[in-house]
Amino acid sequence: QKEVEQNSGPLSVPEGAIASLNCTYSDRGSQSFFWYRQYSGKSPELIMFIYSNGDKEDGRFTAQLNKASQYVSLLIRDSQPSDSATYLCAVSITGGYNKLIFGAGTRLAVHP
Amino acid sequence: DTGVSQNPRHKITKRGQNVTFRCDPISEHNRLYWYRQTLGQGPEFLTYFQNEAQLEKSRLLSDRFSAERPKGSFSTLEIQRTEQGDSAMYLCASSTGQAVGNSPLHFGNGTRLTVT
Repeated sequence: QKEVEQNSGPLSVPEGAIASLNCTYSDRGSQSFFWYRQYSGKSPELIMFIYSNGDKEDGRFTAQLNKASQYVSLLIRDSQPSDSATYLCAVSITGGYNKLIFGAGTRLAVHP
Repeated sequence: DTGVSQNPRHKITKRGQNVTFRCDPISEHNRLYWYRQTLGQGPEFLTYFQNEAQLEKSRLLSDRFSAERPKGSFSTLEIQRTEQGDSAMYLCASSTGQAVGNSPLHFGNGTRLTVT
C-alpha cells in the first residue's frame, strides 16, 4: 500500500466550477498535510497546508482534513484555466523532521 | 529571499559517467532536502540535512549516490557510474527549523538529468 494515494486523473472541470481533489494516507501518526501545485516542467510550489481537523480557507482554495478517515482534500472554487496543473498531496510523517511523503499527483484540466 | 537555486538546470551524460549537482538553499533555512521525481510520479525523498549533518538517507539512495553539505550552506549531490535509470528531475528543497506546520518545504527549479 502506497503511503499517500491520489487519483491520477485527469480531472476535467469547466471554467468557474469547483474542482475537488482528494488524497488518502496510511500513517495514522501523520501530523501535517500539504498541497503543492506543479506546472509541467516546473518545480512544486506550495498552495497551502493544514494540520487540524476541519477546513482551512485561503482565497479560492479550501483544504479539508479528516484524520479519523485519513483523508485530506483540496477544493478550488471558481476554477480558472491557469489552475490547470498537477496537484501533489504531501504528508509529514511521524518523527520525520519535516520530511514529506508525496502522492503521485492529480492532473487537473480546467477548460474554458 | 532569492529562493532555492539549483545548478545546472539540465545535464546530459553518458552511462557510466559521474555527475554532480549543486543546491543553494534560502539563506536562513537550516534544513535541506534532496528529492527525485520521474515522469508521472510525485517527488521521492532521497536525503535530508540539518545544517551540515546528514540525518536521514533513503533506501532509494544506492552507494553510487552521495550528498554533502559542507558548513551547512550549499549542498552537492553526486551520482557515480550513472545508469539510465538515474534519469530524472532532481529537486532540492529547504525549510527553516521551526515547527512542521510553520516551515513548509520550498523547492528549487530542479536539475533534469538524462543518461544516454
